[in-house]
Amino acid sequence: EPEVTQTPSHQVTQMGQEVILRCVPISNHLYFYWYRQILGQKVEFLVSFYNNEISEKSEIFDDQFSVERPDGSNFTLKIRSTKLEDSAMYFCASSERENEQFFGPGTRLTVL
Amino acid sequence: KNQVEQSPQSLIILEGKNCTLQCNYTVSPFSNLRWYKQDTGRGPVSLTIMTFSENTKSNGRYTATLDADTKQSSLHITASQLSDSASYICVLTGGGNKLTFGTGTQLKVEL
Repeated sequence: EPEVTQTPSHQVTQMGQEVILRCVPISNHLYFYWYRQILGQKVEFLVSFYNNEISEKSEIFDDQFSVERPDGSNFTLKIRSTKLEDSAMYFCASSERENEQFFGPGTRLTVL
Repeated sequence: KNQVEQSPQSLIILEGKNCTLQCNYTVSPFSNLRWYKQDTGRGPVSLTIMTFSENTKSNGRYTATLDADTKQSSLHITASQLSDSASYICVLTGGGNKLTFGTGTQLKVEL
């Protein structure tokens, strides 16, 4: 069964460093999403992406964040200058249309 | 602000017993309501999806109900198993397929 994959599973970085989180969505899906979950809190929407552009973003998704689909398979989330409060699980999701989203296993980001 | 509140926050039940989890929401309008299961350290996995016009949806031992008038949904788990131990999250889909997640109920099933 096709699934969303994410790499790395755990990323540790120093405050102020740039990180890139990678996702491979399900191959025939056209809509892509990033969510984050701070430890002990609920999952929060960050951004949705369709047709090579951002379709919606939350107030969390400020200028430090960017997304890209560099090729036909990868979907990346870049955090330009990480802060301590960026420490969280980051989930990628994809959907075929504007319907059920399938989530990846997540990347745990730890900012020291 | 759109909110999705769940209760109880946590629940412990014995294996084989049934349980019901509650969700109250203020998201409006919404296209569908989903219940997800999230194992610790993993991504959410969809259990049921209901449009606002549906009242109930079943998936094996999981049965979800929706009352759009009172803005409430419930997830009933029958004959619980140890593997049901997880966080159960009520999620509403608003415009642009944006998901609004609930606070979750942490369920633990014990022997």
